[in-house]
Formats: sequence, C-alpha cells, structure tokens
Amino acid sequence: EAGVTQFPSHSVIEKGQTVTLRCDPISGHDNLYWYRRVMGKEIKFLLHFVKESKQDESGMPNNRFLAERTGGTYSTLKVQPAELEDSGVYFCASSQGSGGWETQYFGPGTRLLVL
Amino acid sequence: AQSVTQLGSHVSVSEGALVLLRCNYSSSVPPYLFWYVQYPNQGLQLLLKYTTGATLVKGINGFEAEFKKSETSFHLTKPSAHMSDAAEYFCAVSPFYNQGGKLIFGQGTELSVKP
Repeated sequence: EAGVTQFPSHSVIEKGQTVTLRCDPISGHDNLYWYRRVMGKEIKFLLHFVKESKQDESGMPNNRFLAERTGGTYSTLKVQPAELEDSGVYFCASSQGSGGWETQYFGPGTRLLVL
Repeated sequence: AQSVTQLGSHVSVSEGALVLLRCNYSSSVPPYLFWYVQYPNQGLQLLLKYTTGATLVKGINGFEAEFKKSETSFHLTKPSAHMSDAAEYFCAVSPFYNQGGKLIFGQGTELSVKP
C-alpha cells in the first residue's frame, strides 16, 4: 500500500512568488491534515479536511494560505504571495476514523525556502 | 491552550545504554498521547500511542512509554540504545474533547547514539 506522498520535496522561491504544495493521502483515508515546522520550532497544525470539507482551519496563519481538497482525494496548499517567514517544512498526514485516537500517517514533507 | 513539553532538545547516549526521552503535557483531561520518530529525509512514523487501558504502552523497535496521569507525563524509554535509534523524536497529544484528531506537538528531541 502506498503511503502519503508530497510534491515537491523541495522548493526555493523568492519573496512575493506563489508556490503550490501537493499531498496525496493514503487511498481511502477521509482525514487529511496539514502541518508546518518552522526551523527551530515545533510542528504546528494548519488545517484538517474530512473528505472535501474543511473541518478545522484554525491553524492557518493568514489569508495568504489557501488549501483545497479536490473530490476528497489529493490536497493542495497554495501560498500567495510567499513571505520569508513562510519558510519551513510542510507535512501532510492522513488517517481514517473520527475518534481522535487514530494513527496519522505522515508524508516526507516539502521543504520550502523563501528568499 | 494545551501544550506539550519535551525536556531536552538534544539527548546523547552510548550504544547499549538506557534511552529516556521526557514528555509532559498540560491538560486537566488526559488526552490521547503519541510518540513519533523521524529518521533523516523521511516522514514521521508512529512509535506508539496511548488511548485508554493499560498505562504502559509498547511500541515498535523496543520502545515503550508509560502514561502517568498524576504527573501528566508520557516518557519514552528503551532499555538498550542501538545506533539505528539515532533520529528525532516527537511527543504529541490529541485533546480528548477534540474529535478532529489534530495533533499538538512538543518541540522534538534529537537523539544521538555514540558507539
């Protein structure tokens, strides 16, 4: 069974540009989460999809970030325009179930550097 | 707001020595508790988790953790370190009342194993 995949693995862009990150969850997983780790800090929750609906987007930093999940399958996270403080590692995770105790399976992350 | 504290951002042990990674959480209601490990250039992988029942939880690769409600702790241990255990370890909680399952992470502990 394929795990969670993320694309690209690395992205270097200039301030003001747009970047789109993609996540493909494990097939059949209704829950999809985005997290971010800024260098030297803890991994922080960004948002949670259940199928195609946003369940919780309380962690989204500001309106420069836009997340979508087309048809309840893959998800994209767009940053427009990118700022220096957006640099970090963006993780995607997926799980099945609604109890809160389910294992989340993480992708390898996208390392974003904004210059 | 709920928080997770991992004592020590870097821990170094000798091969064969006891591994002890500390994790404390702040919550009046015990949450669901997780330990994840991240090897270089990989995603986070679940080591073990506590939901209900027995407070001593066994995980993969010989790791175990004990939930102590009175101490609000969930420390990770392994009796004998192996070189392959070198990685970054993350303690995380999913608040009991939160049916969404979002994880709140500690800062991470980098484990080094000396020959």
